[in-house]
Amino acid sequence: SQQGEEDPQALSIQEGENATMNCSYKTSINNLQWYRQNSGRGLVHLILIRSNEREKHSGRLRVTLDTSKKSSSLLITASRAADTASYFCATGRGGADGLTFGKGTHLIIQP
Amino acid sequence: GAGVSQSPSNKVTEKGKDVELRCDPISGHTALYWYRQSLGQGLEFLIYFQGNSAPDKSGLPSDRFSAERTGGSVSTLTIQRTQQEDSAVYLCASSLGGGLLNEQFFGPGTRLTVL
Repeated sequence: SQQGEEDPQALSIQEGENATMNCSYKTSINNLQWYRQNSGRGLVHLILIRSNEREKHSGRLRVTLDTSKKSSSLLITASRAADTASYFCATGRGGADGLTFGKGTHLIIQP
Repeated sequence: GAGVSQSPSNKVTEKGKDVELRCDPISGHTALYWYRQSLGQGLEFLIYFQGNSAPDKSGLPSDRFSAERTGGSVSTLTIQRTQQEDSAVYLCASSLGGGLLNEQFFGPGTRLTVL
């Protein structure tokens, strides 16, 4: 079953603008991860935020986590055409449970 | 190799035939995962290996699906008597260990089309 639900399902912005994607989940988590996928193929790990963290940065990426609302957001600043991709949040305990992914946000950066 | 590799990259088969998908994880990674991505179901976790052992096979969609891993390295996912609903991209990932803090590295996937 889907643990995370991203919104919006699709987002189109101009190059240089900031893009914000949200993820909601249902059960308690140890941490939450964001992945990027280009052209429907392999996933690239972007960032992991632990349940005791509220915000984390990596380059142009900023992730927030609100465990009381069971939600997370991914902000991409100063977007570039190369950021066009689908973005997924994922939760899980690892091991035999694997990761549970949301349905993703498809981001399009207009040049 | 530098990353997770999967073969074939694309596979077209006829309904009822068996297919075998291969995953070659990053050297030294003990944990290996199989996922399936389809339009209707999104990304689904199928099975996890720690070394050669798969402690829980309940994520496999049906008894037509089986997976094995030998020598703690290469894994194969076999689908017998393929059905059209098996059409999907099958993704493999590996990580250093099985804990959640171990980042999973994904391969490019195998796109399976069952006619």
